[in-house]
Amino acid sequence: EIVLTQSPEFQSVTPKEKVTITCRASQNIGTELHWFQQRAGQSPKVLIQYASHSSSGVPSRFSGSGTGTDFTLTINGLEAEDAASYYCHQSSSFPQTFGQGTKVEIK
Amino acid sequence: QVQLVASGGGVVHPGGSLRLSCSVSGLNFTDFGMHWVRQAPGKGLEWVSFISYDGSFRSSADSVKGRFVISRDNSGNTLFLQMNDLRRGDTAVYYCTRDGMWRSSSKSAGPDYWGQGTLVTVSS
Repeated sequence: EIVLTQSPEFQSVTPKEKVTITCRASQNIGTELHWFQQRAGQSPKVLIQYASHSSSGVPSRFSGSGTGTDFTLTINGLEAEDAASYYCHQSSSFPQTFGQGTKVEIK
Repeated sequence: QVQLVASGGGVVHPGGSLRLSCSVSGLNFTDFGMHWVRQAPGKGLEWVSFISYDGSFRSSADSVKGRFVISRDNSGNTLFLQMNDLRRGDTAVYYCTRDGMWRSSSKSAGPDYWGQGTLVTVSS
């Protein structure tokens, strides 16, 4: 099983600041890594697919990068509506797995 | 309008069974694989199970293997999860999700569309 380790687990950020969340895979997964956002009380929503491809309708302040074992989700200019938990997910092999999540709070 | 409506959750005793259903509309159900993903109260997301578009390939997490069975009815656009020998650790909201890969028997693009989830509570 591929283990995904996210960091940090919690981040308190001022609006307009830049947020960086990392996800490390226990083995090479190429670019088969996806990012999800889950606001409180809502279902998750896909943000980034295949490491760097933004899903339709996702604001341009969200971007993803990485390949192999190290990946990054960046929010350039945090907005209040970005308060949420963020999860990475690998579809490279079964069983598929999620990172443990990063909670982003607005100061 | 894309809709994935999960149902069948409820309260069940340890060792009991439940069958979850997910009715899908607004997307080509028969062309895509499907997943179940769960989330225990206050916890993160856990991938549970996947079935290919034609039902020929299935995979499950070790934590549910031998107890949960995923299936689908392509004529009725419905996904199922038969859950047997339920344990307290299975308490969670269960989400049905569509996979982003078109007509693949074993490759996956991961979940893209998500339903609203149904709550399963295992308690005596």
